[in-house]
Amino acid sequence: LAKTTQPISMDSYEGQEVNITCSHNNIATNDYITWYQQFPSQGPRFIIQGYKTKVTNEVASLFIPADRKSSTLSLPRVSLSDTAVYYCLVATSGTYKYIFGTGTRLKVLA
Amino acid sequence: SQTIHQWPATLVQPVGSPLSLECTVEGTSNPNLYWYRQAAGRGLQLLFYSVGIGQISSEVPQNLSASRPQDRQFILSSKKLLLSDSGFYLCAWSQKGQVWAGELFFGEGSRLTVL
Repeated sequence: LAKTTQPISMDSYEGQEVNITCSHNNIATNDYITWYQQFPSQGPRFIIQGYKTKVTNEVASLFIPADRKSSTLSLPRVSLSDTAVYYCLVATSGTYKYIFGTGTRLKVLA
Repeated sequence: SQTIHQWPATLVQPVGSPLSLECTVEGTSNPNLYWYRQAAGRGLQLLFYSVGIGQISSEVPQNLSASRPQDRQFILSSKKLLLSDSGFYLCAWSQKGQVWAGELFFGEGSRLTVL
């Protein structure tokens, strides 16, 4: 299982773009990268998933370099409601044991 | 569409009392099922996961146990609660047979306070 490392916390201001990077140096060929958002007293919610290069959806973008040893979640123009904990998960295709890292606590300031 | 429910939402129990948290998934069959625990201000700790009826993998040795009596039902139990069992318990499910891995769908959570 690939170990993930994320910053413990980040602060940003409303309207700014926020980039959260996750390191996964021992990622394997069959591993996929998924990001989740969790608000207090709620279950985590899937944001975006990728394997390589760039993935974009209506909520965020995910950038994965060629060596795949890291990934960056990009949140465009954050608002106060984006204050949450963001988790990076690396999981192997065909296996079902999903272990989360410590997550990044993002605080968006007015 | 698929839905996941867990209950009770909130529970306050004395030390030494038993525990039963239940989770059910609707709208899918043969899901993988998970129990996670989140202590106050901490990350998600995988407790148990199950790939089928009667198949339980335990990740953390402690006084908790899990059972899967039916395909879409997952139960977390304890015979005697400890203070350290307090936390936010989350049930989740994932699909089998997909190339992509790591997509989990979480329930609303059950907050347990042990006094």
